[in-house]
Amino acid sequence: KQEVTQIPAALSVPEGENLVLNCSFTDSAIYNLQWFRQDPGKGLTSLLLIQSSQREQTSGRLNASLDKSSGRSTLYIAASQPGDSATYLCAVRGGANSKLTFGKGITLSVRP
Amino acid sequence: GAGVSQSPRYKVAKRGQDVALRCDPISGHVSLFWYQQALGQGPEFLTYFQNEAQLDKSGLPSDRFFAERPEGSVSTLKIQRTQQEDSAVYLCASSLAPYLTGTPVQYFGPGTRLTVT
Repeated sequence: KQEVTQIPAALSVPEGENLVLNCSFTDSAIYNLQWFRQDPGKGLTSLLLIQSSQREQTSGRLNASLDKSSGRSTLYIAASQPGDSATYLCAVRGGANSKLTFGKGITLSVRP
Repeated sequence: GAGVSQSPRYKVAKRGQDVALRCDPISGHVSLFWYQQALGQGPEFLTYFQNEAQLDKSGLPSDRFFAERPEGSVSTLKIQRTQQEDSAVYLCASSLAPYLTGTPVQYFGPGTRLTVT
């Protein structure tokens, strides 16, 4: 059974700092991996999707990398802003017929 | 509407009561998903519809949980004889294309927070 782990559960950084959020998964035979953002009281917003054949994806100040063999992904946020404060979730899809398995998320607070 | 809507946003039920949670997906979206998110946890898959067909219900935790999408648009998640462990946020998501054809973007609703007392 696929398990997705995100550590630490919470992170607080000053504005402007570059930061890395980590995600690990137990079964490396994945179809793809996604990073989501969740704001309090709201649903999830997809940030980046990395197919199993890819190494990384970029969108603006965000860069996600994937290392299947080691079962890890990182989300890099450049020049963090208070508006980046949210919970970031990593989700893995095990196969074409498989559902998403989510981690518990990392709650990020960016201090002005 | 511009996005996925869910109602009610908050529901308090006494243990043993039945509840019905509604999801209005984005118009024209073929795929619809239900997830359960307990406090401090990530969402857990409950069930998936492609149009009106329920193709995967492997995540439903017990036979007290039932979901339907009779006309391929609005969906209802029903929980019978609610228990305290059912307390969670129930998220609905929809996507334009069938899930099995790739990874179409899932658009999430704001969720319904269910509290069972």
